[in-house]
Amino acid sequence: GAGVSQSPSNKVTEKGKDVELRCDPISGHTALYWYRQSLGQGLEFLIYFQGNSAPDKSGLPSDRFSAERTGGSVSTLTIQRTQQEDSAVYLCASSLSRGNEQFFGPGTRLTVL
Amino acid sequence: AQSVTQLDSHVSVSEGTPVLLRCNYSSSYSPSLFWYVQHPNKGLQLLLKYTSAATLVKGINGFEAEFKKSETSFHLTKPSAHMSDAAEYFCVVSGRTGTASKLTFGTGTRLQVTL
Repeated sequence: GAGVSQSPSNKVTEKGKDVELRCDPISGHTALYWYRQSLGQGLEFLIYFQGNSAPDKSGLPSDRFSAERTGGSVSTLTIQRTQQEDSAVYLCASSLSRGNEQFFGPGTRLTVL
Repeated sequence: AQSVTQLDSHVSVSEGTPVLLRCNYSSSYSPSLFWYVQHPNKGLQLLLKYTSAATLVKGINGFEAEFKKSETSFHLTKPSAHMSDAAEYFCVVSGRTGTASKLTFGTGTRLQVTL
């Protein structure tokens, strides 16, 4: 079956612009996670959605970052007023529920010029 | 709090020789531990996981890892390396903090396999 998909695969933007990154989880997976992979910082947890519960936003680095998950499926990560330090690969993962194996998408490589 | 430390940022082995990638963890409760692999320009793939069942865990592609509570270690091994094993490997701990089962990743070990 289809895995986790993310779009775009690559995004180049100018400093100060807003960007939206999309994640399509595996059908039926109730849990969805966003991570960031950058040089010098490794892989960092950003935010977690579980069903209709309030998301865990404890990993978001600043209030410029936000995410939503519509209808319990597709999720969008939004970065406002992008900065050069936002350049990274943004990974999305989904799992059947909390505590189960997480399946990762291929990521979106964001470059902020 | 939970954390993992991957003791080697880079490991180089010859094809056909054993692989050892070292990982130590820290957790205030019984952890779930994972090894993920990331090939160049590919997504993360789960190799194996430990969730308090057998301490010796077998994964895909001939990899295995042993959970040693006394040493707080979860080293990844493979008896004989193959060229296709060249990739970045991440040791990961999962813990329930708040509402999340968020994964905490190690900094990664890049495995190089030479002829």
